[in-house]
Amino acid sequence: SQTIHQWPATLVQPVGSPLSLECTVEGTSNPNLYWYRQAAGRGLQLLFYSVGIGQISSEVPQNLSASRPQDRQFILSSKKLLLSDSGFYLCAWSAWTGLNTEAFFGQGTRLTVV
Amino acid sequence: GDSVTQMEGPVTLSEEAFLTINCTYTATGYPSLFWYVQYPGEGLQLLLKATKADDKGSNKGFEATYRKETTSFHLEKGSVQVSDSAVYFCARSPYNQGGKLIFGQGTELSVKP
Repeated sequence: SQTIHQWPATLVQPVGSPLSLECTVEGTSNPNLYWYRQAAGRGLQLLFYSVGIGQISSEVPQNLSASRPQDRQFILSSKKLLLSDSGFYLCAWSAWTGLNTEAFFGQGTRLTVV
Repeated sequence: GDSVTQMEGPVTLSEEAFLTINCTYTATGYPSLFWYVQYPGEGLQLLLKATKADDKGSNKGFEATYRKETTSFHLEKGSVQVSDSAVYFCARSPYNQGGKLIFGQGTELSVKP
């Protein structure tokens, strides 16, 4: 069966520090991968998605970047965190083909920038 | 652009009460529609989905029908339990691109014994 792992679960970082959140998927090949953010009191917003190694699409301009160095690994990064980067970050995957695709989410990382 | 609008919460119900959470979506293209649930401190879990008009998604006693004429996908449950307390998100995606989701704001449900 497919599983998705995301870490760390919680993170407190000072303003201006770098960020690296990692997500890996097991039990499937060539998944589509996604990063979502849930800001406090707001809904979820798609930040990045990837359909293959090295292929990244950004949905909104921001202080973050994403990379996909391996087929089932997706990394969210920042060189210098801002207070506004605080939120709940969720990684997700979906099948790369087929009808009725749906997304499967990780447990999330709660990031607090102080 | 595309959007999803759902009723604001929080919604507080007594156990065994009837639940309705309203959701409407923009009708661009042929979207797939979803309800996700988020339990405290956890990620999102798919609750149910529908991929074309008049489809009914159902799971764990929850139901929602894809209504193209009213661009709605309201979530219903006949008798809620305390364990249903969570945040519920309505979402749409382009057809066959189920990972590219546009979410509503979420509705917090609290069920009291």
